[in-house]
Amino acid sequence: DGGITQSPKYLFRKEGQNVTLSCEQNLNHDAMYWYRQDPGQGLRLIYYSQIVNDFQKGDIAEGYSVSREKKESFPLTVTSAQKNPTAFYLCASEGRADTEAFFGQGTRLTVV
Amino acid sequence: AQKITQTQPGMFVQEKEAVTLDCTYDTSDQSYGLFWYKQPSSGEMIFLIYQGSYDEQNATEGRYSLNFQKARKSANLVISASQLGDSAMYFCAMREGRDSWGKFQFGAGTQVVVTP
Repeated sequence: DGGITQSPKYLFRKEGQNVTLSCEQNLNHDAMYWYRQDPGQGLRLIYYSQIVNDFQKGDIAEGYSVSREKKESFPLTVTSAQKNPTAFYLCASEGRADTEAFFGQGTRLTVV
Repeated sequence: AQKITQTQPGMFVQEKEAVTLDCTYDTSDQSYGLFWYKQPSSGEMIFLIYQGSYDEQNATEGRYSLNFQKARKSANLVISASQLGDSAMYFCAMREGRDSWGKFQFGAGTQVVVTP
């Protein structure tokens, strides 16, 4: 089945630790996105990538890093520099000239 | 500056009634796409409907229709014959540009509660 997979679904992290969230798609999509969602809020764009080995900062990139070494994969690292990392993280992908972005199921990150 | 504005933080609607969710957007691009997504409490994002800036007719998908008024920069979602399963958060989104992807940005959302 084609789709976009995020793992893990729930993640706990101690303060001061980096953590990497996985996002994989088998839809052959060029564009991939990472969003952060806080309770009762909309989605805020962290990073996006239009092509392999290239990515751009979104509106809230500070404290996050990404890589795009393969078309299928766009992992997000939440670094210790991110002051308030507890949130719901959503990954999305989109094909060229598509009329729909596909989302993963999300990862709920909690800092303990 | 906020690109997508949803002015209704929440609303109640009775089952079987129609409901309109407001969305206004801001862009200087001639080519852009407008989207509506539904997010139930489980957190998944469910695509509902798409409207391209060059589409002359309003988009429709089953019980969903998009009231596109380009001059007013509004893209309101109309849900006809509401069902209990329609209770969710609804997001309006915009992607600017045609041949390349700009930022895919979302509004703050509208929480809809459908009552029996």
